[in-house]
Amino acid sequence: AQSVTQLDSQVPVFEEAPVELRCNYSSSVSVYLFWYVQYPNQGLQLLLKYLSGSTLVKGINGFEAEFNKSQTSFHLRKPSVHISDTAEYFCAVSRNTGGFKTIFGAGTRLFVKA
Amino acid sequence: DSGVTQTPKHLITATGQRVTLRCSPRSGDLSVYWYQQSLDQGLQFLIHYYNGEERAKGNILERFSAQQFPDLHSELNLSSLELGDSALYFCASSVYEGSARETQYFGPGTRLLVL
Repeated sequence: AQSVTQLDSQVPVFEEAPVELRCNYSSSVSVYLFWYVQYPNQGLQLLLKYLSGSTLVKGINGFEAEFNKSQTSFHLRKPSVHISDTAEYFCAVSRNTGGFKTIFGAGTRLFVKA
Repeated sequence: DSGVTQTPKHLITATGQRVTLRCSPRSGDLSVYWYQQSLDQGLQFLIHYYNGEERAKGNILERFSAQQFPDLHSELNLSSLELGDSALYFCASSVYEGSARETQYFGPGTRLLVL
């Protein structure tokens, strides 16, 4: 069975500071990894995903994530955040076995302060 | 705007009732996915349809059912509603059968409140 753990429920950070949102996963098979963002009163939007190949994945809005197989982690980073990055961020895993299903973490609320 | 539409935006109903949520995918997308986001359970995958056929099931209760029609819109039917069914229900769509290589585009959601 797969699971996703987002280690921080809330992350407050000042504008222009760097941020890292942590995600660990567990799975007995190869999985695909995703980060989604949910702005207030909106649906989810894909930030980036890891399928294979380079372990450093670049996404939209200046975000990037690094896949670490030995530590089963997929942490999301941004070198300098903006007020507009305030949102809920979800890490997710999926696999194609038995149909395409996605399992989400509990979410991390990023709050960027001026 | 993702191009995925969901109606209604808000729905308030009573326990024991039945409701239908509607989702129209982006033009050309053949797959529709349904998700439930609640305070207790977080964000959960419910079910996936591709071109009218069910392709994958997640944590969907037996009281819930879905279908995808020939025009590719989908409906999620929730019956014998309980207080715990109060949640935000999202649908998403993608072009093909569902794989990690595809991007899922999410609608704005339907907020269901069961009183």
